[in-house]
This record gives sequence, C-alpha cells and structure tokens, in this order.
Amino acid sequence: DGGITQSPKYLFRKEGQNVTLSCEQNLNHDAMYWYRQDPGQGLRLIYYSQIVNDFQKGDIAEGYSVSREKKESFPLTVTSAQKNPTAFYLCASSYREMNTEAFFGQGTRLTVV
Amino acid sequence: AQKVTQAQTEISVVEKEDVTLDCVYETRDTTYYLFWYKQPPSGELVFLIRRNSFDEQNEISGRYSWNFQKSTSSFNFTITASQVVDSAVYFCALRGDTGGFKTIFGAGTRLFVKA
Repeated sequence: DGGITQSPKYLFRKEGQNVTLSCEQNLNHDAMYWYRQDPGQGLRLIYYSQIVNDFQKGDIAEGYSVSREKKESFPLTVTSAQKNPTAFYLCASSYREMNTEAFFGQGTRLTVV
Repeated sequence: AQKVTQAQTEISVVEKEDVTLDCVYETRDTTYYLFWYKQPPSGELVFLIRRNSFDEQNEISGRYSWNFQKSTSSFNFTITASQVVDSAVYFCALRGDTGGFKTIFGAGTRLFVKA
C-alpha cells in the first residue's frame, strides 16, 4: 500500500542532544513537508522540499535541519539549538501542482526530558 | 501574506445536531486552493475536500457540505446530523501560486460529538 511512514511514533530526548525523525513515502510525490503541531496553534511549517537536493525554510526553521537526498526520504533533525522541541511532528507529501492535497504520516511525538 | 483563521477553538454538540465549522482566509494570490482536513485521535490528517478560487459552487458529500464565498473570504464546513465518529480536529488550509505552493493551515477546530 502507498503511503507515508514516520518513525518512531514516540521519541524521548535529553536536553542538549540532537535527534532525527524519519519520514519515508512511496507515493512518488516530488514535494515533502515537515510541520510542527502544538496545542491551539495548528500546523506550522518547518521545512519543505519541492524536489530532490533542494529544500526551503518554512515559518519556524530555526533549530531544525533537513536533507533530501532521495525522492522517498525527508528526514528532520531537531538540534540542541531548538529551544522548545517538545511537540508533535507531522510529515507530509504531495505532487507539486497547487491543486493537489497533501498526504500525512501518523506523526512523531517528541518529548524532551 | 497568506493566513487562515479558524476562530472556533472547540465545539461540543450532541449527536444528530448540525454543526458548522468556520474558516476565513487571507491571500493576495489570484489563483489558490482551499482544503479541509480531518485529524482523528490517531494523529494522521485525512484530506476531505479541495476548492479552487474560481469555483464558488457549494458542494455536498453525504452528511458533509461546504460553502465557499469569495466575497467574504470564507470556506465553511457543515456536518449534518453529526455522529460520534465525527469527533476530531478539523483544519482548513490554503495553497496559493506564490510562496512555493506551500500549504498554510489554520489553528484547527476540535469537535466533540457526544452520544
């Protein structure tokens, strides 16, 4: 079945450590996205990529980094520079055309302890 | 700048009541698309509907209906005869032809449907 897989579902990190969230899709989508969800704030865009080896900062990119070496994969690294990393992280993908909807993974809940 | 506002943070209804979720958007784009997504407790957002900026026809799909009014920049979503399974967070979203086609989401409305 086609879809988006995020792993792990739950992640605990100690302060000062970097952590990488995985996102893989087999939908043949060119575009991929990372969103952060906090209570009452909806989905805020962290990074997005329209094509392999290219990505753009979203609205809250500080403290995060990404790579897009393969079409299927768009990992997100939460660095120690991110001041408040505890959140629910959602990965999505879509075709590049504006009229296409996004498909989402089931999310990773990151907790800093 | 693009912006999506969902002023209703939480709505609670009793099963079989009708409920309308409001969405107001801002954009300078001429061409854009509006979307509604549902996020059940599992966390994964599910696409419900899309509407383009040139098509103001209302749409009905089963118990769901959508009212797009460009004059008021609104794209409201109505659930008729709500059911417990409708309980979820609902997001309105906007995707325009500037800014790299990125999708902007509203803050979401949490709907509780009580039996």
